[in-house]
Amino acid sequence: GENVEQHPSTLSVQEGDSAVIKCTYSDSASNYFPWYKQELGKGPQLIIDIRSNVGEKKDQRIAVTLNKTAKHFSLHITETQPEDSAVYFCAALGYSSASKIIFGSGTRLSIRP
Amino acid sequence: DARVTQTPRHKVTEMGQEVTMRCQPILGHNTVFWYRQTMMQGLELLAYFRNRAPLDDSGMPKDRFSAEMPDATLATLKIQPSEPRDSAVYFCASAQRDATYEQYFGPGTRLTVT
Repeated sequence: GENVEQHPSTLSVQEGDSAVIKCTYSDSASNYFPWYKQELGKGPQLIIDIRSNVGEKKDQRIAVTLNKTAKHFSLHITETQPEDSAVYFCAALGYSSASKIIFGSGTRLSIRP
Repeated sequence: DARVTQTPRHKVTEMGQEVTMRCQPILGHNTVFWYRQTMMQGLELLAYFRNRAPLDDSGMPKDRFSAEMPDATLATLKIQPSEPRDSAVYFCASAQRDATYEQYFGPGTRLTVT
């Protein structure tokens, strides 16, 4: 089955700097890669996603890149702000697993003022 | 503002008691997921339904857990009997499978079994 590894587990950056979170997946048939943000006391919320036919996608300060050959994808947050502090999860949907999305272990991002 | 609702938000119970968690998916969503979140295991998929039919419950301990969708507006997750190791936050999520893969999560039920 699909396995998703996420690094780092914790990340602290100065406000205004960039943050990068990286994930690798095992199922070469995976074709959908969402990123979720979870704030304290809340459920995860989708912030951006990318499909396997696209190498990069950007939405304001957030961008995601996908390297299908290497089976890894990354989340980039530029000009970080205090409200970016949260736990971020990458995930992958395998073609063979119907709607079963497998989540990474999460990255706790802290933005230092 | 459509959202997934879950009740109760918090539940404290004694070991051996039955626990029932409820979820109301977003109207029109035909796929419902149950996840468990712990510090050690992260987000684990327990079970999911499409059009009220169970598709996969391989992540769920079947001797004590059961999941059902009595109707399109209600999903339930039951634990009987509960054990301290069941303490976790349980999330329900829904999706409109035919339109998007995006899952919308509820606020979760924080379960503590003493």
